[in-house]
This record gives sequence, structure tokens and C-alpha cells, in this order.
Amino acid sequence: DTEVTQTPKHLVMGMTNKKSLKCEQHMGHRAMYWYKQKAKKPPELMFVYSYEKLSINESVPSRFSPECPNSSLLNLHLHALQPEDSALYLCASSHTTGLGYTFGSGTRLTVV
Amino acid sequence: ILNVEQSPQSLHVQEGDSTNFTCSFPSSNFYALHWYRWETAKSPEALFVMTLNGDEKKKGRISATLNTKEGYSYLYIKGSQPEDSATYLCAFEANFGNEKLTFGTGTRLTIIP
Repeated sequence: DTEVTQTPKHLVMGMTNKKSLKCEQHMGHRAMYWYKQKAKKPPELMFVYSYEKLSINESVPSRFSPECPNSSLLNLHLHALQPEDSALYLCASSHTTGLGYTFGSGTRLTVV
Repeated sequence: ILNVEQSPQSLHVQEGDSTNFTCSFPSSNFYALHWYRWETAKSPEALFVMTLNGDEKKKGRISATLNTKEGYSYLYIKGSQPEDSATYLCAFEANFGNEKLTFGTGTRLTIIP
């Protein structure tokens, strides 16, 4: 299996809702990432997990809460989001530094 | 803040023609330069990861060069085909040991049949 699988592909949520994004890989990669991409902008790093521990939080608001239950799974819990949080959320994994990432196809999130 | 820029922003190329575009990045704290191809509604796909100054990598009709001293990389596509239509992203990885990629805004390539 050489893929990163993200679910759901699309999500519409209200500002008072709680939802979760899921990311899964079975390549034995030790690092997993959440990126956020808004239209016509480059993907921006949100979080990095290395060996299941949070190693980078790019000053992301607490309404985004990452979780890495095991080496294959990465979640992003969403609560009380704002309309400006609407974006494409990309998950990626990598084996080690200096090698390419494997990306999922993303979750298109719309906050209403 | 690391500045990674790509040019041009978009490009239309006739099928069969060759093309190239540029990624510029900081010349200090360099560790690696990544190139990705991103087709609409699909996952970004890794093309190259380049680490050595002067390096040239090739994958089929696509090749890339790297100049870390002046902070730029070129991506070349020879004999463009419709399936080459995609956004091409470069990403800079610094030697901070934190595995963070800083992406450029991409070059959107459209091949005209």
C-alpha cells in the first residue's frame, strides 16, 4: 500500500459543530503532517507528528486539535471553526528527512 | 519567514513543445528542494527531491536542475503532452531538522492539444 487515505473528501460544518478529519497510511512512515491550503495560496504547514509525538505546531488556533493514536493514523479534530477556516486540508507522510512526502488527496472543508 | 517563489504563475504550452519554469528559494540553511506535480482532484505527487548543488534529476520527459548557491531550481518538460497539465509545486526544506516544507505558489501548466 503506497497511499495516504483521507476521509471525508468533502465536509460542510456549522460554526458550532464538532467534526474530525482522518488520515491513514500503511507505508511505515514515521512522520505525518497536516497542511492547510486556501485558494491560490501554497499549502501551509499546521502540525508535524514524528514517531507519534507532536513535534511542530505552527501556532495553530486551539479550535484545531491534532491526534495521532498510532503510527498509521492521524486525526484532526475540529470545533467552533470560523468561515475563514474553509480550505483544503492535506495530510502527508514521510519516511525520513530529505525524501519526498506522500500526500493524500485532501478534505475540502466548508464552514457555514 | 522563508520565501519560496515560482514563476510563471501559469503557462499555456502547445502539445509537443518543450517548456521550463523556475523556483527560487533561500540560499542559506539549505537541506533539500522538492518538486511535486498536482493534478486537479488528485494528490500531489512527488517528482524529485534534490539535495546537491549542481544536481540534475530526470524522470521520463521531466528533468530538474538545482543551484543552491544562488537559490534556484529549474523544471523542464520536453515534448509536452496533455497529461502534463497540472500545477507544479516546489518546496524548500531547511536544515533545521524539523522536516517542514515551505511551498511556492506553484506554476499552473496547461497543454493545448
